[in-house]
Amino acid sequence: SQQGEEDPQALSIQEGENATMNCSYKTSINNLQWYRQNSGRGLVHLILIRSNEREKHSGRLRVTLDTSKKSSSLLITASRAADTASYFCATGPLGNYQLIWGAGTKLIIKP
Amino acid sequence: EPEVTQTPSHQVTQMGQEVILRCVPISNHLYFYWYRQILGQKVEFLVSFYNNEISEKSEIFDDQFSVERPDGSNFTLKIRSTKLEDSAMYFCASSEGRGGEKLFFGSGTQLSVL
Repeated sequence: SQQGEEDPQALSIQEGENATMNCSYKTSINNLQWYRQNSGRGLVHLILIRSNEREKHSGRLRVTLDTSKKSSSLLITASRAADTASYFCATGPLGNYQLIWGAGTKLIIKP
Repeated sequence: EPEVTQTPSHQVTQMGQEVILRCVPISNHLYFYWYRQILGQKVEFLVSFYNNEISEKSEIFDDQFSVERPDGSNFTLKIRSTKLEDSAMYFCASSEGRGGEKLFFGSGTQLSVL
């Protein structure tokens, strides 16, 4: 079965720096999505990139997708303390509605 | 902003007991889902629901699990006879348009089976 994997597992940076997280997956996808989860809370959708797209921006977020390498990256620019959370990639396989989730990257922004 | 609401936030039950987890999806959404997350592990898909029927389910979603949309607003997950390994955070989600895209999640129900 498909498995998304993020790296690094944990990332600690200073406020104002950029944070980059990566995600790899194994099978063909329809889309790839990034979600944020604050401790003990639900998941919040950040951005979706379709398999025919290579890059997408939303505010301070930039997502890239390389389907030949089956990988994606999430860049958060000018990080803030409020960005401290776990970030998950989730892939939407072809032909169905379920999302396959990675294990997440725990991001800590130090003030 | 509209949100998905889940009740209860915490549920403690004895092994073998039935539990019902409740969710109110966003009103104009068409697709509904249940996911679960065991502490420290990945989020796992359980089931998707569209047009008043299950559209997909995972291997986890066996005969002990069922979902229902009893009225126009609620979406429930029932576990008939809970096991220790059912202990997890259960998330309800809904989406508006295309299935499996841009899910809105509730805050979850932490289920503890003793």
